[in-house]
Amino acid sequence: GAVVSQHPSRVICKSGTSVKIECRSLDFQATTMFWYRQFPKQSLMLMATSNEGSKATYEQGVEKDKFLINHASLTLSTLTVTSAHPEDSSFYICSARKVGETQYFGPGTRLLVL
Amino acid sequence: AQTVTQSQPEMSVQEAETVTLSCTYDTSENNYYLFWYKQPPSRQMILVIRQEAYKQQNATENRFSVNFQKAAKSFSLKISDSQLGDTAMYFCAFMKQTGNTPLVFGKGTRLSVIA
Repeated sequence: GAVVSQHPSRVICKSGTSVKIECRSLDFQATTMFWYRQFPKQSLMLMATSNEGSKATYEQGVEKDKFLINHASLTLSTLTVTSAHPEDSSFYICSARKVGETQYFGPGTRLLVL
Repeated sequence: AQTVTQSQPEMSVQEAETVTLSCTYDTSENNYYLFWYKQPPSRQMILVIRQEAYKQQNATENRFSVNFQKAAKSFSLKISDSQLGDTAMYFCAFMKQTGNTPLVFGKGTRLSVIA
């Protein structure tokens, strides 16, 4: 299957700082990338869908000014958690796919805000 | 809107035995894809198997096979000769064939393979 990388794998930051997470499709060009958040023992919760060169579409209840998504190219999307607070601590997963094809996932980023 | 239901929050199976995980879905679409993903303790989501709705033949991948019943909107996963490494959360997912709509996930089934 296709490979999606995500960096960093874990990050600890102080409350009020911003954190950037990168997601790359390594061996294919992804027309669409998705960002998920996962709480312990729960399913994935979709945060936003982003298409290269256009603004991300956020799910209801997700603050777009809090979670900034940039899809700069067909192989790179970034999620920036701005002014992070302890309640933003979670596991964030990115995913990428071509239109109509299988969706592949990154290994996830564990964020801990102190 | 599409929904995916996994009615078994947890299951266990003895090593080398066979286990079946259930999944039902609701949609008005005629063309779509169905998936099973596995999430082991590492939390990396791994594609297990994929089924195109227009195909009548059930998909198989080594020890993994599905029973796809389109009319009943059922998509169960059978794991044969269970191995300890199969211990994971299993998510059933639905995707429309057209457009860039996201996957719709079920709540998952936690499978434990016991030695």
